[in-house]
Parts: sequence; structure tokens; C-alpha cells
Amino acid sequence: AQSVAQPEDQVNVAEGNPLTVKCTYSVSGNPYLFWYVQYPNRGLQFLLKYITGDNLVKGSYGFEAEFNKSQTSFHLKKPSALVSDSALYFCAGGGANTGFQKLVFGTGTRLLVSP
Amino acid sequence: GAGVSQSPSNKVTEKGKDVELRCDPISGHTALYWYRQRLGQGLEFLIYFQGNSAPDKSGLPSDRFSAERTGESVSTLTIQRTQQEDSAVYLCASRAFDSFNEKLFFGSGTQLSVL
Repeated sequence: AQSVAQPEDQVNVAEGNPLTVKCTYSVSGNPYLFWYVQYPNRGLQFLLKYITGDNLVKGSYGFEAEFNKSQTSFHLKKPSALVSDSALYFCAGGGANTGFQKLVFGTGTRLLVSP
Repeated sequence: GAGVSQSPSNKVTEKGKDVELRCDPISGHTALYWYRQRLGQGLEFLIYFQGNSAPDKSGLPSDRFSAERTGESVSTLTIQRTQQEDSAVYLCASRAFDSFNEKLFFGSGTQLSVL
């Protein structure tokens, strides 16, 4: 079965420092992977996606993610965190070989950026 | 409207009552999803509509759950004889094309509380 794991419930980082939010996946076939962000009282918003091509994907708000096939990871990164980045982040994915309409989501990681 | 709209935003009901949740997707979006987000868990796929094709209902947890969609517009998710375990945020998302590499646009969700 397809699965996406986010091993950290919460990540704390000081403003201006780099941040990493971890995600690993287990899918059949070539993976396609997404990051979504959920701000308080708002719906999930798309950040970035990996389908094929360059392993480093750049997205909205200065975020990027690195696809690592050997480690089956798709960690979200940002060089310099902002307090306004504090939110709930979801990794999602699926495999091109299996029911790819049903995106599988991780449990979410709460990012807290302190001033 | 500009985004996916869900109503009500909050619903409190008594165990055993029926509830109906509404989703207005972005105009022109052919694909529509319902997800459930329980506290501390990832988003759980419920059902997927694509145009006039038969919906994929494989994620519905029991026969108490049903959903309808009129053409490519409004969708309603109905939960009959609600149970406390149904308490969750129910999220609707739409997508412009039937393509797995297109992003989803999410509504703000309906917070359902079953007392």
C-alpha cells in the first residue's frame, strides 16, 4: 500500500535559520510528490510538486524540496525561515502505477518559527 | 467564486442525527475530492468525482457515508446516523484537469463535532 510518512509532529526553528521538514514515501512505480501548507483557519495551499526531472524543486514562498530516490525522501527546505512560515505542513504523494487519483497524505508537521 | 467554498464551516450535532456538508468547487474544475482530517492524523481519502464518470467511492468508511455531485458543480457529503468517531474536519478539493500532476485546491473545511 502507498504511504507517506512525516516523522516529526513539530519542528521549531528561529527566524532567519534554515528549516527542514522531513517526508519519506513508499509507493509503487514512479512517485509523484507534493507539499501543501495549512495556515490557521484556512484551507490547504499548494507549495510545490515533483513529478519528474530535476531533483530539486522550487515552490512558493521561497520553499524548495529535494527528491532523493535512494532514500525515498522528499524533504521540504527553506534557507531562511520567517515567523509567517509557522503553519501545518503536509506531504502527499502517490505512485504512477496505482490509483494515482488517490493522493496519500502524511500526518502533518507543525512548523513553529520563533522571532 | 475565486476558491473552493465549503459550508457550514462548523457543525455540531447529536449522535444519531444525519448531517449534510456542502462543497462548491472552483468553476470549471472537473475533478472533486472529499478528504477527512482527524485530529493528529493525515488526510484520509473519501471519494473522488471526475466529470460524468462513476465516482470512486472506495474511501468511504461505511454505508452511512454517501456523496453526490451534480454535473461539474456542487457536491454534498451526507453522513447518516452520525457517531462520535465521525468527528473530524471534512475537506473538499477540486482540480482543473483529470491529471495526477495538477495541484488540488482545497476549501477551508467543515469542522464536524458529534456529541
